[in-house]
Amino acid sequence: AQRVTQPEKLLSVFKGAPVELKCNYSYSGSPELFWYVQYSRQRLQLLLRHISRESIKGFTADLNKGETSFHLKKPFAQEEDSAMYYCALPRPSGSARQLTFGSGTQLTVLP
Amino acid sequence: GAGVSQSPRYKVAKRGQDVALRCDPISGHVSLFWYQQALGQGPEFLTYFQNEAQLDKSGLPSDRFFAERPEGSVSTLKIQRTQQEDSAVYLCASSYGTGGERQYFGPGTRLTVT
Repeated sequence: AQRVTQPEKLLSVFKGAPVELKCNYSYSGSPELFWYVQYSRQRLQLLLRHISRESIKGFTADLNKGETSFHLKKPFAQEEDSAMYYCALPRPSGSARQLTFGSGTQLTVLP
Repeated sequence: GAGVSQSPRYKVAKRGQDVALRCDPISGHVSLFWYQQALGQGPEFLTYFQNEAQLDKSGLPSDRFFAERPEGSVSTLKIQRTQQEDSAVYLCASSYGTGGERQYFGPGTRLTVT
């Protein structure tokens, strides 16, 4: 069964410092992976997906198949990055493409 | 246009009561998902609709949970004889197609069973 692990429940960094939110997955085949973010009092929203290979709000994530990881990185954290971040993996095939989420990492960027 | 909406936003139910949670997806979205999010956890899949057809209900935790989307738009998640372990945030999400595109989430309904 596919699984997503986010080992850190809480992560604090100072403004301007680099940040890395870890995500590991177990999956057979070629995975798609997403990062979703939930800012305070807002709904869950897509941050980025690996197949688009884009940078959103300065965040990037590289899929490392050897390490089965999809860590989210930003070189210089900002206070507005404080939020809950979830790594997610869609079901590989079939009629339902539901997402399997990790348990989330609460990022706090300190002034 | 408007995003996914859910009502009510908050629901308190006494143990044993039945509840109905509503989801209005983005207009024209084919796929609709329900997730359950317990405190401190990520969302967990409950059920999936493609238009009006419920194609996957493998995540429903018991036969007390029932979902429908009769006209392929609005969906209702019903929980019968609520138990304390049903307390959670229930999230609805929709997506345009069926190929694993991004899902757009509603604000959720926080259910508290006392």
